[in-house]
Amino acid sequence: KNQVEQSPQSLIILEGKNCTLQCNYTVSPFSNLRWYKQDTGRGPVSLTIMTFSENTKSNGRYTATLDADTKQSSLHITASQLSDSASYICVVSARMNTGFQKLVFGTGTRLLVSP
Amino acid sequence: DSGVTQTPKHLITATGQRVTLRCSPRSGDLSVYWYQQSLDQGLQFLIQYYNGEERAKGNILERFSAQQFPDLHSELNLSSLELGDSALYFCASSPADGDTEAFFGQGTRLTVV
Repeated sequence: KNQVEQSPQSLIILEGKNCTLQCNYTVSPFSNLRWYKQDTGRGPVSLTIMTFSENTKSNGRYTATLDADTKQSSLHITASQLSDSASYICVVSARMNTGFQKLVFGTGTRLLVSP
Repeated sequence: DSGVTQTPKHLITATGQRVTLRCSPRSGDLSVYWYQQSLDQGLQFLIQYYNGEERAKGNILERFSAQQFPDLHSELNLSSLELGDSALYFCASSPADGDTEAFFGQGTRLTVV
């Protein structure tokens, strides 16, 4: 069964600190892995997208890693800011028999950055 | 602004009623996806259209239906509404498929009373 599991479910950190969010998946056949940031009540916004051959990808203070062998990904946030408070969603794309992709969503990690 | 437009932003309706949610994808995007997000829950995939044709179905109830029109906008129809249908409904679009980026609209918040 195609699943994406994220941990921790929620996290509180102090402003300026770093944190790492985890994503484990069992999606097959793997196409790509994406991290989205979703502010409360808003649509998700893409942070990174990684294919099978990519191990690391950065977007400003966000750095995502991918280990396709162990089917794990992480999102590292450095020097956190209050505006980083949001849900971070790991999404894995599976290639279906039709040739089209299906996006499998994790339930997200809710991050709160405290002043 | 992702370029994906959803209307209305908010909708309040009674149980048993029928509503239509509308999505205009980014210019040039052929694929449209619909998702449901209940309170404090993850995004649940409902259905995908590509260039007017249904391509994939997720956990979409029989009371729900969707379509994509020749101008590529899409509508999600929800009928015989129940209290449990209250949720945020997101639309996303992508240029085609495969390893392409999906861009999300701001969602329609549906409240069934």
